[in-house]
Order: sequence, then C-alpha cells, then structure tokens
Amino acid sequence: LAKTTQPISMDSYEGQEVNITCSHNNIATNDYITWYQQFPSQGPRFIIQGYKTKVTNEVASLFIPADRKSSTLSLPRVSLSDTAVYYCLVGEGFSGGYNKLIFGAGTRLAVHP
Amino acid sequence: GAVVSQHPSRVICKSGTSVKIECRSLDFQATTMFWYRQFPKQSLMLMATSNEGSKATYEQGVEKDKFLINHASLTLSTLTVTSAHPEDSSFYICSASSEGARFYGYTFGSGTRLTVV
Repeated sequence: LAKTTQPISMDSYEGQEVNITCSHNNIATNDYITWYQQFPSQGPRFIIQGYKTKVTNEVASLFIPADRKSSTLSLPRVSLSDTAVYYCLVGEGFSGGYNKLIFGAGTRLAVHP
Repeated sequence: GAVVSQHPSRVICKSGTSVKIECRSLDFQATTMFWYRQFPKQSLMLMATSNEGSKATYEQGVEKDKFLINHASLTLSTLTVTSAHPEDSSFYICSASSEGARFYGYTFGSGTRLTVV
C-alpha cells in the first residue's frame, strides 16, 4: 500500500478556496486516490476519488498530475462546517472489493469566520 | 444508498466486562467489513478485516482473543471487546465494502465511543 504524506494542519477563512496536497510517491499503476472527511466523533465520509487528471463533484475537485505522485483536493469557498480532518488514501480499486484502507495522519483543516 | 449503521453510538462499561458493537449494512450486502480504533487526536488504526462466513484477519499487535469479530451474515458484523479495561476506551468505527458495489469508496459507520471505568 502506497504511503501518503499530507500537511498536519491548515487554516483558512470562510469563502476562501482551500487546496490540500497529498504526496504518494510510490503509487502503483492500479491505485486510485480517495479523499475522506471526518468530523469529531463521526466516521469518515467519502468526498472524492480519482485516478488521473481532474475529477469534480458537487463538493470538491481532485487534481492529479500526469506522474500521479501527488494529488490536490480543492474545496471551493469553504464554510465553518468544512472544519474537519481530511484523509488522503491510495489503494487499488476502492469501488468495491476487499482492499483494506490504511489511514495516514490526515490534515486538520480549521476554517475561521 | 450505501448506509452503514453502527450501534451503540456510546457505551460505558465497568472494567472486566464485555461489550458488543454491531455494524450493519442497511441497503447493500457487505462482503467485507473492517474495524478501526481511533484515539483522541489520532488517525484511524485498522484492527481487523472480516469476510462473511470466515475468520477475521487481525492486524499485527491486535489481540484476537480480546477483540472478537463475527461476520455471520452479509449485513452484520460484530466486534466484542472482552474483559474490557480502561486502556480499551476509544472510538471504534466499522467500514463496509461490497464486491461490485455501485458506489465509490467504502462506507463507514458513525462510530462507537467506548468508555471503560
């Protein structure tokens, strides 16, 4: 399983765009990149998943360069409710199956008024 | 779709007693379920992987006789913390996946806060 490295914490203000970068130098050919969000005393919640280039959904965008050794989660116009821990995970085919998820330290995002 | 229900959300027990935590997939059949433990301000730590109808696979350092996992059906997995001690106090989270699931990613339960007194 590829190891990931993220900033430990980030601070932002309401209305700003937040970009969280994750390094995964040893990503394998079959690996996908998935981001989860976790609020205190809750289970992680799926945000977005991608394999290459750019993926966008209603809550975030995921940018993956051609070498796939890093990825950037982009949260547009954050609000106070986006204060949470964000985890970047890399593994084979998270669309189902038996692959276990190993969590790194995550990035603690604090959004200020 | 893809909802995982975890129960109880919070439990307090006396030292030496056992506690059972249930994890149910409500709208899909979970071929595999995972159990995590999370201490305050720390990341999730995988404890074990359970496949329906077979023995769970435990991560290194996790005592299988202390943390009993049963995955008797495709919608239910249970984690029993036996002879609990204060150091077992933690936030326990389950996750489920299904082969061929139509959703991306794994679905997590809402977690169980265990306090051993």
